[in-house]
Amino acid sequence: AQSVAQPEDQVNVAEGNPLTVKCTYSVSGNPYLFWYVQYPNRGLQFLLKYITGDNLVKGSYGFEAEFNKSQTSFHLKKPSALVSDSALYFCAVRDITGGSYIPTFGRGTSLIVHP
Amino acid sequence: NAGVTQTPKFQVLKTGQSMTLQCAQDMNHNSMYWYRQDPGMGLRLIYYSASEGTTDKGEVPNGYNVSRLNKREFSLRLESAAPSQTSVYFCASSEAPDRVRIFGQGTRLTVV
Repeated sequence: AQSVAQPEDQVNVAEGNPLTVKCTYSVSGNPYLFWYVQYPNRGLQFLLKYITGDNLVKGSYGFEAEFNKSQTSFHLKKPSALVSDSALYFCAVRDITGGSYIPTFGRGTSLIVHP
Repeated sequence: NAGVTQTPKFQVLKTGQSMTLQCAQDMNHNSMYWYRQDPGMGLRLIYYSASEGTTDKGEVPNGYNVSRLNKREFSLRLESAAPSQTSVYFCASSEAPDRVRIFGQGTRLTVV
């Protein structure tokens, strides 16, 4: 079985400060991990993904995510937050070596960046 | 612009009415999906079509039907709408079921 958790419903950060949006996952095999962003009244947009290789993945808009196998985490990070980063962020996971070939989405984390 | 187009963008239905949500993609993707998004529940998969000619149930299929009309189009039908189906519906497509999804802009449906 595959599952993903986003433990924070909301993250608040001041503009210019680093931000982290947390994601933990559970799979029986190896994970295929994604981050998506949803701006108000829009559909989700792909940010980045991890399949294999370097644990630090770089994506769109200056975001990056770090895959940590021992902690089963894939946290989304950005060194300096912008007000325009305020949005809803979704993590998704697929178990490559078992389970469904359809990724499971987390419940989403609302990121609010204050000026 | 290339992408996923959903119609309509907004709809209000009375309980018991039926309607079809339309979705079309122009990226030659094989797989298409319907999700619903509810506060606190995140994104839940209703139905998907891994390839033209196939459809499968997702997490929350009850009360819905789908049709993969051709490679481009994937419609979602509510035969007898219920207030519990008030939600924002997203269509998405991808090259394959485990690949990056491209999402439409959503349909906000209210059932009264």
